Amino acid sequence: EDQVTQSPEALRLQEGESSSLNCSYTVSGLRGLFWYRQDPGKGPEFLFTLYSAGEEKEKERLKATLTKKESFLHITAPKPEDSATYLCAVRPISSGSARQLTFGSGTQLTVLP
Amino acid sequence: NAGVTQTPKFQVLKTGQSMTLQCAQDMNHEYMSWYRQDPGMGLRLIHYSVGAGITDQGEVPNGYNVSRSTTEDFPLRLLSAAPSQTSVYFCASSYLKGNEQFFGPGTRLTVL
Repeated sequence: EDQVTQSPEALRLQEGESSSLNCSYTVSGLRGLFWYRQDPGKGPEFLFTLYSAGEEKEKERLKATLTKKESFLHITAPKPEDSATYLCAVRPISSGSARQLTFGSGTQLTVLP
Repeated sequence: NAGVTQTPKFQVLKTGQSMTLQCAQDMNHEYMSWYRQDPGMGLRLIHYSVGAGITDQGEVPNGYNVSRSTTEDFPLRLLSAAPSQTSVYFCASSYLKGNEQFFGPGTRLTVL
């Protein structure tokens, strides 16, 4: 069974204090790993897709990396506007046309000014 | 482009009532899907569609029906609401050959 576990569940940082969020996954075959950002009362917003171990992608203060067992979302010098819940999801090769994503429960990030 | 739109934003139902959650997208995406989001459980796929006239079940389809008569619209019907269907519902869409799914703003449903 495909599983995605995110840690920590919640993280409070001071503005400028860099840190990382973890996404551990178990999947029979990985078609892609996705990171989304979700603000309160809104739908998830796409950030990154990673396809193979060793791949990295960056966007502003965020950098996502991928190994065969986990992905990290590194946040460098965060600002209060980075506060959100960050969701990780995997799409297994077996999902076929369903494009079914298995989501983790998310990490709620709060950046204090 | 408006992207993915959902109505209503909030809804309260009594057990046994029926209703339809509306979803529309203006990006000409072939793929559309419905998820529900519950605390501590992540998003779970209810139903999906790969094009007009084609729908299929996801992980948690029981109690829900869908149809896809046009590329743009993908309504989700609750035939007889139950308290277990209290959740936040998200519609998403993407190109069939793409991976990035665009989510709507969600509908918060409470079943009493």
